[in-house]
Amino acid sequence: DAGVIQSPRHEVTEMGQEVTLRCKPISGHNSLFWYRQTMMRGLELLIYFNNNVPIDDSGMPEDRFSAKMPNASFSTLKIQPSEPRDSAVYFCASSFGTGNQPQHFGDGTRLSIL
Amino acid sequence: AQKITQTQPGMFVQEKEAVTLDCTYDTSDQSYGLFWYKQPSSGEMIFLIYQGSYDEQNATEGRYSLNFQKARKSANLVISASQLGDSAMYFCAMSFISSGSARQLTFGSGTQLTVLP
Repeated sequence: DAGVIQSPRHEVTEMGQEVTLRCKPISGHNSLFWYRQTMMRGLELLIYFNNNVPIDDSGMPEDRFSAKMPNASFSTLKIQPSEPRDSAVYFCASSFGTGNQPQHFGDGTRLSIL
Repeated sequence: AQKITQTQPGMFVQEKEAVTLDCTYDTSDQSYGLFWYKQPSSGEMIFLIYQGSYDEQNATEGRYSLNFQKARKSANLVISASQLGDSAMYFCAMSFISSGSARQLTFGSGTQLTVLP
């Protein structure tokens, strides 16, 4: 079975540019999560969706960050304009149901903003 | 507020020996889940094992077992017969209800395990 698929795996861009990260959750999973991982702050939840609806976006650092989930099989995380401090590994994860189900992670996108 | 504490930034273990990675948590919820994830140097996050707060028996998955002590609020991961491929960062996480009926995870800071040949 296919796991969570993220693209791109690596992204290097200059500050000020728009960055779009993509995620395809596991088929049948109805919760989707975006995380950011840095050495200083560890794993931080940015936003999560349940049945395509954003539930909690309190972790989104600022208005430069936005996320969408237009359908059950696709989500994007956009940063515009990007800044060097946005450099991190961004993970997408999905899970089934609203109970204590494990979240399954994608391989992450390693983002470097120059 | 929910909190996960992993007090061991780094651990070393000899190949083929068992190792215990510590995890304590703090929550006022009655229903919660405890998870362990492995992150090798390649960067992916791999789900290892799950324990529900109402589960009376400790969870086991192959060489992984979770030593769940509810009264002490601890959920330690035990890896038996360590292998070189077990060298990785290990994260303890807890699920809780944040908004509506959906659950999210809070993660500990991780323990870097190194298996020595």
